[in-house]
Amino acid sequence: DAKTTQPTSMDCAEGRAANLPCNHSTISGNEYVYWYRQIHSQGPQYIIHGLKNNETNEMASLIITEDRKSSTLILPHATLRDTAVYYCIVTTNYGQNFVFGPGTRLSVLP
Amino acid sequence: ETGVTQTPRHLVMGMTNKKSLKCEQHLGHNAMYWYKQSAKKPLELMFVYNFKEQTENNSVPSRFSPECPNSSHLFLHLHTLQPEDSALYLCASSQRGQSSGNTIYFGEGSWLTVV
Repeated sequence: DAKTTQPTSMDCAEGRAANLPCNHSTISGNEYVYWYRQIHSQGPQYIIHGLKNNETNEMASLIITEDRKSSTLILPHATLRDTAVYYCIVTTNYGQNFVFGPGTRLSVLP
Repeated sequence: ETGVTQTPRHLVMGMTNKKSLKCEQHLGHNAMYWYKQSAKKPLELMFVYNFKEQTENNSVPSRFSPECPNSSHLFLHLHTLQPEDSALYLCASSQRGQSSGNTIYFGEGSWLTVV
């Protein structure tokens, strides 16, 4: 079973920031937080991951709370092409428990 | 382009056929994976190979037979499948054991229809 909890769906206006939450209250000290997204009928795409510190790359930012029990993926300026299912996963560097839950279906609206 | 290539992209097979799905990774990774995604369901992990050795088999029926001849290639041999096996089959690879994590990269998937 997935070790994370995410809202089933969210809407975001085009051009605005999309903030996707994830709860992982049972995360272990050696587990990373990963985010992927899946656009319809395609393979999941890696977005970002982190262990303790906040991370940023060209796609998104990842904010991890100090107690590491939750995190937020931020898409700073959502576009229509960001409409997808977003998955939050916690796993070790050996990939244990790399389990996908149902994710959050993000709809970016014009 | 993720560096993981799957063929064929689409496959239709009868229940008595034998077919294979092929996956190749160009990333120099040491682990490869097969996932299954049925309609409107989350991805299900089927098999994991680490340095060509199978390390996980999540109670997959024997009509699915994986083969990993080397760390760059992974096959899924299909035999006497059922219509409910129709799904998107995804291959992935990663470099396990790195201090920076275990980022998994997916191929585009093979759509399988069993008739």
